[in-house]
Amino acid sequence: NAGVTQTPKFQVLKTGQSMTLQCAQDMNHEYMSWYRQDPGMGLRLIHYSVGAGITDQGEVPNGYNVSRSTTEDFPLRLLSAAPSQTSVYFCASSYSAWGETQYFGPGTRLLVL
Amino acid sequence: AQKITQTQPGMFVQEKEAVTLDCTYDTSDPSYGLFWYKQPSSGEMIFLIYQGSYDQQNATEGRYSLNFQKARKSANLVISASQLGDSAMYFCAMGLNTGNQFYFGTGTSLTVIP
Repeated sequence: NAGVTQTPKFQVLKTGQSMTLQCAQDMNHEYMSWYRQDPGMGLRLIHYSVGAGITDQGEVPNGYNVSRSTTEDFPLRLLSAAPSQTSVYFCASSYSAWGETQYFGPGTRLLVL
Repeated sequence: AQKITQTQPGMFVQEKEAVTLDCTYDTSDPSYGLFWYKQPSSGEMIFLIYQGSYDQQNATEGRYSLNFQKARKSANLVISASQLGDSAMYFCAMGLNTGNQFYFGTGTSLTVIP
């Protein structure tokens, strides 16, 4: 089992550029989620999905899009990057939001200039 | 409104001593889970322990135990016999059944002193 994988590990973008952060899991988990981690603020939920074709917003969804066409993959899209999106992004998966632990990917460090 | 509160930005503990990291939560959802994660300087998120809202007994995992006081809405992490490798950031988190939301606290930085 690879667990939760994320690519890329690091990325530098210019303001206004777009990119997709990839996330995949091989544990057949229904619940997948994206978080951003900023200094002093812990992790904050961006978007989540409870199964293929079903996504919803978390605490800080603005500027991000998601889709879930398969159980395994949950990409996060930045349509027009802004410096405020400089952060570390974590993807996670689990059987549910509350009944089981979430397994985290290694994170993607994003710098927007 | 803050859902998860960790009031200790930094803590120090002597090696081999026990330490308690505080966490309080706020929800009216009867079905929720409480989690503690460790984040070492390398950056990965490591799951430590889980407590479900319906669990009657406090959760334990090796040297980690969760002191769950439902009426006070607290879920403190107790680390017994601290080791140098325990030095890290520790995050308390809560997952809710209603709305599938997941919230993290701001974390506590633990330093173990030899």
